[in-house]
Amino acid sequence: EDKVVQSPLSLVVHEGDTVTLNCSYEVTNFRSLLWYKQEKKAPTFLFMLTSSGIEKKSGRLSSILDKKELFSILNITATQTGDSAIYLCAVYDLIQGAQKLVFGQGTRLTINP
Amino acid sequence: SAVISQKPSRDICQRGTSLTIQCQVDSQVTMMFWYRQQPGQSLTLIATANQGSEATYESGFVIDKFPISRPNLTFSTLTVSNMSPEDSSIYLCSFGENPNQPQHFGDGTRLSIL
Repeated sequence: EDKVVQSPLSLVVHEGDTVTLNCSYEVTNFRSLLWYKQEKKAPTFLFMLTSSGIEKKSGRLSSILDKKELFSILNITATQTGDSAIYLCAVYDLIQGAQKLVFGQGTRLTINP
Repeated sequence: SAVISQKPSRDICQRGTSLTIQCQVDSQVTMMFWYRQQPGQSLTLIATANQGSEATYESGFVIDKFPISRPNLTFSTLTVSNMSPEDSSIYLCSFGENPNQPQHFGDGTRLSIL
């Protein structure tokens, strides 16, 4: 059964701290790994990773994929209160020709001022 | 990229009733999807909405409970039928052309059943 596991499930830090969120996966036919930020209802897209070892960066956020060890990390440096959200990791699996996005449980990140 | 809008944003319904959620994309897209997010849980795929054919449902979801329409390449609806309190969730639509491109989500519908 396809599985995407995120850790920690919850994290509380102070503004200015650096955080690392983890995502491991086991899927049948891996195509790519995605990170989303969910603040209210709609997940907003952050990164899509397909190749190992290539870091993707956007401002204070960065992410990298390890396809050998089947995991990814999302780093946020110099955190701000606006970074408080649920961060979702998802993996594209291709099953019998059908693309499916399998989500992890999410990490609830709280940034205290 | 294309913009996706979803409505209603939220609703409170009586048990036994049905509600239809609409999802509109501002350009033609091949694949549209419907997800459910139960309180405190992650997103679970309900079905893939196929244009011109019946939706493809995931295990645990059936057409009688969650009928889906996809009349064209820009629009889809999900109906939650004969609702019970266990159907209280956020329902999300998304689109994604292929596994080489990210899925983008609508704003979601927060549904509460009394």
